[in-house]
Amino acid sequence: QQPVQSPQAVILREGEDAVINCSSSKALYSVHWYRQKHGEAPVFLMILLKGGEQKGHDKISASFNEKKQQSSLYLTASQLSYSGTYFCGTDSGAGSYQLTFGKGTKLSVIP
Amino acid sequence: GAVVSQHPSWVICKSGTSVKIECRSLDFQATTMFWYRQFPKQSLMLMATSNEGSKATYEQGVEKDKFLINHASLTLSTLTVTSAHPEDSSFYICSAREGLAYEQYFGPGTRLTVT
Repeated sequence: QQPVQSPQAVILREGEDAVINCSSSKALYSVHWYRQKHGEAPVFLMILLKGGEQKGHDKISASFNEKKQQSSLYLTASQLSYSGTYFCGTDSGAGSYQLTFGKGTKLSVIP
Repeated sequence: GAVVSQHPSWVICKSGTSVKIECRSLDFQATTMFWYRQFPKQSLMLMATSNEGSKATYEQGVEKDKFLINHASLTLSTLTVTSAHPEDSSFYICSAREGLAYEQYFGPGTRLTVT
């Protein structure tokens, strides 16, 4: 079942922060976050595994609450390069490593 | 590291012809490769999963006789769209993972247009 992402779209000015949420109706083993720019392939951002991980790199971080079956991606002090569509992919841990992707959140950062 | 390439980047073909798309892992051995399809402004829809040396597993609703997948080596998987029709026009993206790692790395995608 497809995870639900919110918001669907957000517009930020450079330097502002944003949070993108991803929730699932199924128990999750891992959550994967990707950013895709128009006409390009998704770029891997990070993966969070079961166990309640939090992870970050530079100004992008994420958390995973396995009890609530949801993950959040945090973008702080946004830059123009952060613009794109963010997808979460969820893995229910059946051993197939298959991901089910949400519909995406379109983030636009303006000067 | 973790680079996946796809060839071609785009292809235009006539209705009824077949098209082959290659997906290669350049700096790692891809235990599993996945093929996705993406329509404009929509999400990635998994079409099939292929493990090296074994038959691909197709998602419900994906015709295995139409979308032929071969994963003959640890660095190469191919998707052949047979007897293509205009409704097969889409962005096809592969991803690959290695060993026990969970991360999937995506290729740059192939835009197929069937006229």
